[in-house]
Amino acid sequence: NAGVTQTPKFQVLKTGQSMTLQCAQDMNHNSMYWYRQDPGMGLRLIYYSASEGTTDKGEVPNGYNVSRLNKREFSLRLESAAPSQTSVYFCASSELDRGNTEAFFGQGTRLTVV
Amino acid sequence: RKEVEQDPGPFNVPEGATVAFNCTYSNSASQSFFWYRQDCRKEPKLLMSVYSSGNEDGRFTAQLNRASQYISLLIRDSKLSDSATYLCVVNPGWDMGRRALTFGSGTRLQVQP
Repeated sequence: NAGVTQTPKFQVLKTGQSMTLQCAQDMNHNSMYWYRQDPGMGLRLIYYSASEGTTDKGEVPNGYNVSRLNKREFSLRLESAAPSQTSVYFCASSELDRGNTEAFFGQGTRLTVV
Repeated sequence: RKEVEQDPGPFNVPEGATVAFNCTYSNSASQSFFWYRQDCRKEPKLLMSVYSSGNEDGRFTAQLNRASQYISLLIRDSKLSDSATYLCVVNPGWDMGRRALTFGSGTRLQVQP
């Protein structure tokens, strides 16, 4: 049982380059999320998808786009990377509408933009 | 004001000590509450959910005070393996216009031999 799988685990980009972070879950969850975590800070929500076919902005969406490809997959795209986007990115999935349910996280992507 | 606020610590305690963390949240309509644990450079994992009646899981006790809008976590008989960052997490529900967990910045615990 893989849970939430993120790729890649590490990435170095030059300013202005683009890339897509991939995320897939095998728990049949409706809701999926992308967070970023900067040193000494908690997780900040970038985008989320409450169900297949819907996406919504979170707290820090600027500079990112997302695609909910199907129920399993939720990708995050950086169109033109900036040094301020250097961070650790976590994908997560859950069923928040069903009471006190757990959110499961991928192992994270450590992104450095130089 | 942040939606979820925690003392960042670090809390440095000896093995066997009892340590308590508090967390406050700003949205009175928040639906559910959790403590997550995050080890260095790893993903967060659920430690326990928090209920109004209080709940206990071994050496860990969590409490919710809706009137004062705070959540607490008590760790008894601290072990070296408890060293981690503890994240206070709130499900704000639809009232905040989004359906996603909101995380505090975390409280770092270092248990020393």
